[in-house]
Amino acid sequence: DQQVKQNSPSLSVQEGRISILNCDYTNSMFDYFLWYKKYPAEGPTFLISISSIKDKNEDGRFTVFLNKSAKHLSLHIVPSQPGDSAVYFCAATGNQFYFGTGTSLTVIP
Amino acid sequence: DTEVTQTPKHLVMGMTNKKSLKCEQHMGHRAMYWYKQKAKKPPELMFVYSYEKLSINESVPSRFSPECPNSSLLNLHLHALQPEDSALYLCASSQVFGTQDYSSYEQYFGPGTRLTVT
Repeated sequence: DQQVKQNSPSLSVQEGRISILNCDYTNSMFDYFLWYKKYPAEGPTFLISISSIKDKNEDGRFTVFLNKSAKHLSLHIVPSQPGDSAVYFCAATGNQFYFGTGTSLTVIP
Repeated sequence: DTEVTQTPKHLVMGMTNKKSLKCEQHMGHRAMYWYKQKAKKPPELMFVYSYEKLSINESVPSRFSPECPNSSLLNLHLHALQPEDSALYLCASSQVFGTQDYSSYEQYFGPGTRLTVT
């Protein structure tokens, strides 16, 4: 039972354009959401997070949007850079911690 | 120092072997985690230690035995594994676990141990 889903396994974007990664969840008790980035042969690294009391959080080129009514969050990367190419996992937590299925982002120079 | 280290990087073991995975952090974090990750799948939580006490065991088979000797170290003892246990085993830490301090949920991961059971 996958409580956090990323329906796009892969995404390709031109350098300089916007990358939008999406994540859906099923458990309305989740109250904190995170995005992690993972390069091959490395563990995930924390990128950005958002509390359920907010609908937007911004950190440099990265912005996370939360739509609680739709149980949906998204990560926007603007402008996208080749170094952003990685697998991105969303994660959600309440009293447990669940990772999404991951989206592999390729930024084409 | 924001690093979580894991040893070994790679491990090949037979089904009758006993081996251990090690994880270390020096960030003063009081929560440590073991995850299992299969190819093209998200990390799956196995165990959570909070203040050196086991807080969560996600119904993991007893052939996996975690141990937290002190606040900086986390071990995973392996015995009589099956080939389907082959995976990347990730260790992570966070400031604390299970509180309303949301920053505690920001986990720092090690690079993982690639385990192959033959």
